[in-house]
Amino acid sequence: DVKVTQSSRYLVKRTGEKVFLECVQDMDHENMFWYRQDPGLGLRLIYFSYDVKMKEKGDIPEGYSVSREKKERFSLILESASTNQTSMYLCASSLAGNPDTQYFGPGTRLTVL
Amino acid sequence: DAKTTQPTSMDCAEGRAANLPCNHSTISGNEYVYWYRQIHSQGPQYIIHGLKNNETNEMASLIITEDRKSSTLILPHATLRDTAVYYCIVSGQGGSEKLVFGKGTKLTVNP
Repeated sequence: DVKVTQSSRYLVKRTGEKVFLECVQDMDHENMFWYRQDPGLGLRLIYFSYDVKMKEKGDIPEGYSVSREKKERFSLILESASTNQTSMYLCASSLAGNPDTQYFGPGTRLTVL
Repeated sequence: DAKTTQPTSMDCAEGRAANLPCNHSTISGNEYVYWYRQIHSQGPQYIIHGLKNNETNEMASLIITEDRKSSTLILPHATLRDTAVYYCIVSGQGGSEKLVFGKGTKLTVNP
């Protein structure tokens, strides 16, 4: 079974802090994704990566950056956290040949105070 | 923008089949129908996908109408653990479009 793990289930940070959310997948998937999920807004794509060191902006990249130095790891960075970034963050991965069959991690619920 | 229309909520009795409908009247010829579900406080889970033929796997069956304008996800023997939000998504297999999760259908399986 594909396993996608995220570094924390719950995280509380203060406004202005730099926040790192880590995601690791163990199935050698080429594609990795970061989404955020908010009530009433559904899942929205922040960034995705189709290869090491490659990244593409999703629908809401503002305020975020990403890093993919190794194939299995995709990091989401909040350079200066703000309260409107309080959300559930979900990481996913998929094969290059089957990009829309995505496997999701359990999510990180981030609260920015 | 989601290209699909699903009922907001549905109920099903435990042990009975759950039939979840989805309308996708603007689907184009190269777009697939995907189904995911999200159990409370968990990440979404891939269930099944299809292009035009009916599909079945260990989790569910997917029935797509001949004109491809609608589909039905069937959970043959629903259990309490199937209570979740079910998302029907139309996607062009990772081209210029991305997966777009709409609001989905909240399925409640009752004992």
